[in-house]
Formats: sequence, structure tokens, C-alpha cells
Amino acid sequence: DIQMTQSPSTLSASVGDRVTITCRASQSISTWLAWYQQKPGKAPKLLIYKASTLESGVPSRFTGSGSGTVFTLTISSLQPEDFATYYCQQYSSSWMFGQGTKVEIK
Amino acid sequence: EVQLVQSGAEVKKPGESLKISCKGSGYSFTSYGIGWVRQMPGKGLEWMGIIFPGDSDTRYSPSFQGQVTISVDKSISTAYLQWSSLKASDSAMYYCARCLGSGRLGQYYYMDVWGKGTTVTVSS
Repeated sequence: DIQMTQSPSTLSASVGDRVTITCRASQSISTWLAWYQQKPGKAPKLLIYKASTLESGVPSRFTGSGSGTVFTLTISSLQPEDFATYYCQQYSSSWMFGQGTKVEIK
Repeated sequence: EVQLVQSGAEVKKPGESLKISCKGSGYSFTSYGIGWVRQMPGKGLEWMGIIFPGDSDTRYSPSFQGQVTISVDKSISTAYLQWSSLKASDSAMYYCARCLGSGRLGQYYYMDVWGKGTTVTVSS
């Protein structure tokens, strides 16, 4: 199985900050990676697929990059509604989520 | 509007059986997969399995193989997740999600639309 490791597990930031979350795969997954946002009590929401393609309706402050085994999700200017938990997921071979990164208010 | 509507919260006793549902609407149900994801209280997302309604092809995560059964009734655009004998450790939120294929052969599936989830509580 391909394992996905996210870092950090928790991130404290302020409104307006630039935030970067990293996701590492245990072997190459090309660009078959998605990012999801989950708010408390809500279902996950797709943000980015194929490592860097923004899902329709998702604000452009969200950017995904990477290929192979290292990927990043960047929020260029953190907004109040962005405080949430973020998950990466590989869909290259079977499916596997990262353990999540909680973005909390500093 | 594309929607996945999941069945309501369940409270069961250990050893009981359960089948929860996920009904798709607003799209061609047989053209996409349906995946199931578990989220235990306070924990992360775990991929359980996927079914392709067009041909009922089903794949399970090794962690859930033999523990649950995923099925579909395409005549009513509904996918199911079932347990034959629940355990307390099955208490969790369960999400279904539409799986959209990409890649040259459409063989790489990510989850683009999610249901709101079904809470399952197993307690004696």
C-alpha cells in the first residue's frame, strides 16, 4: 500500500498568512493526488485534484503543486473560513488519505 | 444539482446487522463510482472501498475486506454499505462520495461530490 504522510499535523496561523501543507507519498504517484477541506461536523470538500487542478468554485488562493512523492497545498492569504482540517489523498494505486492537517487560529 | 443523499443516523447493538444507503441524483449514476469513507470520532478519513454501478465491480481496502459489503441497486441510483454483525468499534461517521475517473483510460478516481454522512452508533 502507498502511505501518505502530511506535515505538520497542526498549524497555527493568522488571517492573511501564507500557509503551506506538505504531503509525502511512500512511492511515486505521478500527479494522482487530491486535497480536501473538512470543517467540523461537515463532509469533506474537494479543493484540488490531479495535484494542481483547482475544483470549480474553489477560491484561487488555494494552490496545489508537486509530482512524484512530494506535494504541497498553499493558501496564499488565509481567510477566516479557511480554518479547517485538510487531507491529501492519493488515487494512483488504490486510495489512501493522509492523516490530516488542522489549521487553527493563532 | 448533483447530490448524494445518505440515510439517517443509526443506533444499533453489537451483533446486529445494518445496511446504510447513498442515493445519487442529478447525474448519470452508472457513469461514476461511489466510494465509502469512514471517520471515527475525532479521527481522520479512511477509505473503505468503491463500487462502479455500471457493472457492480467492487474493490475494498484491505483494512475493510471481509468486514463490510458494498453493493448497488442502479435501478434506484442507490449504493449501500452493510455489516452482518456490528461491533462497538464500527461506531463512526460514514460518508459516500461520487468518484470521478480521470487519466487516459479514466482509471484514476477521485471523490468530487460527497454525501453529508451517516452516523452509526453501536452500543449495548
